[in-house]
This record gives sequence, C-alpha cells and structure tokens, in this order.
Amino acid sequence: DAKTTQPNSMESNEEEPVHLPCNHSTISGTDYIHWYRQLPSQGPEYVIHGLTSNVNNRMASLAIAEDRKSSTLILHRATLRDAAVYYCIRRGGSSNTGKLIFGQGTTLQVKP
Amino acid sequence: DAGITQSPRYKITETGRQVTLMCHQTWSHSYMFWYRQDLGHGLRLIYYSAAADITDKGEVPDGYVVSRSKTENFPLTLESATRSQTSVYFCASSTWTGGHNEQFFGPGTRLTVL
Repeated sequence: DAKTTQPNSMESNEEEPVHLPCNHSTISGTDYIHWYRQLPSQGPEYVIHGLTSNVNNRMASLAIAEDRKSSTLILHRATLRDAAVYYCIRRGGSSNTGKLIFGQGTTLQVKP
Repeated sequence: DAGITQSPRYKITETGRQVTLMCHQTWSHSYMFWYRQDLGHGLRLIYYSAAADITDKGEVPDGYVVSRSKTENFPLTLESATRSQTSVYFCASSTWTGGHNEQFFGPGTRLTVL
C-alpha cells in the first residue's frame, strides 16, 4: 500500500513561503517520495522527488525527515500560479511498473 | 508537435456505445499509462504498458481495453460505455521506471456518458 496522508487544503498569501506537509509513516527504505501538482483543468506535472536527502530544484524544495516518515514540500515564494492540488506520492525504488498511486492531495489556495 | 497529446479533448457519448480515446507521445518513452479522475478526486490507474505489446491492469481496469502496437500510441477503449465511466481521462508516459523518473501527463480527455 502506497498511502500518504496530506491535509485537504491550505491557504497562503502571495509572495510568502508555503510548507506543504506529507506523512508516510510506513515508507520502506527504497521508496522515493515524489510530488506532483495539478493546476486547474490540466494534467498533473512533476514537481520534485527525493529519497533521503533534502532536494532543491527551480520549482521547489523537498525536506525529508531523518526517519523518512514525513516530508515537506516548500514553495519559497508562492505566486497565484502556484494555486493547485499538490500530491505527495510514495514510489517504490524497485518498482518495475512505474505506477503512481495518487491520494486526495492538498488543495493550495494563494491569496493576493 | 512534440510531447504527449490526447484526442479528442471532449467527448459526449451514450450508454452502450464503444468509445476510443487516443494517446500519442513523441519521446519514444517505453512506459505509458492511463488514469481516470472523477470529480473532486485524485487519479486512479486504469492500465499501463511497459513497451509495445506489453500491457497490464491497474487499479480500475474493468470495462476498459487497451492495446499498444506501436511505442508512441496507447489507445484506451470503452467497449460499452456506462454512466459511471463519465470522467476525465489522462494519459502519461515515462522512461525507465526507477523510483526517481518522472511521468509526463497529457492534457486530458473529458468524457461524458449519457
């Protein structure tokens, strides 16, 4: 089971940082943590992924707890365009199917 | 056009009719996937394919058929559409399925079954 737990919704003000939490308490040692987001009326898009160390890319940062039971997606300066549903997904490193198991995600609202 | 495309973007059909949704990708990705997304919910995997002529069931395969005769195409067929299959359908593709590679999603097909 690749379940993760996220809050249903969060709000942020424009140009402020946003921290989106995700719990994955049953994660195994080889599971990667992926984040995707889905803008309104669009398909999901990849945001970031990590295994053990914190990760940064042009879109966001991913902070992974030392015990790997939780992680946080960080948007450093939220813009109105960041309003979307954010999905935290566990993905087996040894998986040979590439399947992504989506949960309900967190709906992020960004206020001007 | 480069990327992953789906057609049609919108489709209205009637119960009992056969419907085929098309998916085409230009990257030569070996893996392709079909998901459905019901209103207010996350995506659920219908079928996936590891390569041409290799397909397998996902979470919700009942009522759907797929084929993959060419690497770049992955059509999804509803053999006898039902109202419960009203949904938005997303196709995706990826390269090797190691835990760290990303999936690229198409724009979706909104299907309404009357």
